[in-house]
Amino acid sequence: AQKITQTQPGMFVQEKEAVTLDCTYDTSDPSYGLFWYKQPSSGEMIFLIYQGSYDQQNATEGRYSLNFQKARKSANLVISASQLGDSAMYFCAMRESRYGGATNKLIFGTGTLLAVQP
Amino acid sequence: DSGVTQTPKHLITATGQRVTLRCSPRSGDLSVYWYQQSLDQGLQFLIQYYNGEERAKGNILERFSAQQFPDLHSELNLSSLELGDSALYFCASSVDRGGGQRDEQFFGPGTRLTVL
Repeated sequence: AQKITQTQPGMFVQEKEAVTLDCTYDTSDPSYGLFWYKQPSSGEMIFLIYQGSYDQQNATEGRYSLNFQKARKSANLVISASQLGDSAMYFCAMRESRYGGATNKLIFGTGTLLAVQP
Repeated sequence: DSGVTQTPKHLITATGQRVTLRCSPRSGDLSVYWYQQSLDQGLQFLIQYYNGEERAKGNILERFSAQQFPDLHSELNLSSLELGDSALYFCASSVDRGGGQRDEQFFGPGTRLTVL
C-alpha cells in the first residue's frame, strides 16, 4: 500500500535561514505525483509545490524547492529565507498512481509543524 | 483564495443528527474530493466525484454519503452523527486532466463540524 512518512513532528528555524522538511514515501507504482501543502493556523490548505515521478529536475516554486531523491524515495521540502509567515503545518502528500486508471486521490503524511523564530 | 467555496464554515450539532456540507469547485474543475481531518486520524480521503459520477471511495462511513450535481457543486451528507465525527471537512477540486499530468488539488477553507 502507498504510504507517506513525515518523521519530524515539529521544527524551529530562525528567520531568514533555510529549513528542510523531510518526507519519505512508499509505492510500487512507477508513476506517481508528490505534493506539499501548507496549513496555517487559520486552517486552510495551500498548495505549494509538485514533483512528478518522471520529472528529470527538482521542482522549484519561488522560495520552495523539492529535493527529490527517487532511489531513496524521499521528497524533502526546502524553504529558503524563512519568514515569520511560514510558521504553519506542512503536509507531504502522494497521488495514487494513474496506472490502471486509478483515482487522483491524495494520501497525506502526518505533517510537520514549523515555527519560525524572529 | 483557492476558488473553492465551502459552506457553512462552522457547524455545531448534537449526536444522532444529520447535516449537509456544501462545496462549489473552482470554475472549470470537474473533480471534487472530500477529506476529513481529525486529530486521531489525520487527513483522510473520503470520496471523489468526477463530472457527476462517483470515481473513488476511501475511508467513508456508511452513515456518510455524497453527490455531485449537474452544476458540479457537491454535497456531503453526514447522518446519525457521533462524537467521533467532529472534524474539519475539506472539499478540494481539480481539473483531472487524465494521464500523468500535474493536476494539483485546490482546497476549500473547510467546514469545522462539532458534534456535542
